[in-house]
Amino acid sequence: AIRMTQSPSSFSASTGDRVTITCRASQGISSYLAWYQQKPGKAPKLLIYAASTLQSGVPSRFSGSGSGTDFTLTISCLQSEDFATYYCQQYYSYPRTFGGGTKVEIK
Amino acid sequence: EVQLVESGGGLVKPGGSLRLSCAASGFTFSSYSMNWVRQAPGKGLEWVSSISSSSSYIYYADSVKGRFTISRDNAKNSLYLQMNSLRAEDTAVYYCARTQGCSGGSCYSELDAFDIWGQGTMVTVSS
Repeated sequence: AIRMTQSPSSFSASTGDRVTITCRASQGISSYLAWYQQKPGKAPKLLIYAASTLQSGVPSRFSGSGSGTDFTLTISCLQSEDFATYYCQQYYSYPRTFGGGTKVEIK
Repeated sequence: EVQLVESGGGLVKPGGSLRLSCAASGFTFSSYSMNWVRQAPGKGLEWVSSISSSSSYIYYADSVKGRFTISRDNAKNSLYLQMNSLRAEDTAVYYCARTQGCSGGSCYSELDAFDIWGQGTMVTVSS
């Protein structure tokens, strides 16, 4: 199985900050990488697919990059509604696997 | 409105069985692959199983292989997860999720992220 490693596991930031979350795959997955946002008690929400394509309706302050084994999710200007947990997921092969999550907290 | 609604969760004893359902609406269910994803309390997301649109291809996580069975009824716009021999470690919120697959009339594997999720149903395995 492909292992997905996210870093950091959590951090504190302030509204307006630029934040970056990284995700590393244990083997190459081309661009078969998605990012999800999850708020407490809610289902995950797809933000980005194919490593860098913004899902319809997702604000443009979210962006993704990378290919192969190393990927990043960037939020250009953190808003109050962005405090949540973020997960990466590979869909290059089965079993589908998720990263452990990155919790973005208010500083 | 595109929607997935899970049901069937509850409290079950170790070794017991439970069948989860996921009702789809607002889209052509028979055209999409579907998935089950679970989340143990306070933990991350874990993919459980996937089924192709015509049920031709089925995949399971090693942690549930041989105990869980995914199925679908396209006539009823429904996805199912039959869970047998349940263990305490199966305790989780179970989500059904749609594989996006296509966008703007084009279908390719780079689109296979999970774009629509249900609200989840809680399964608790405890004596």
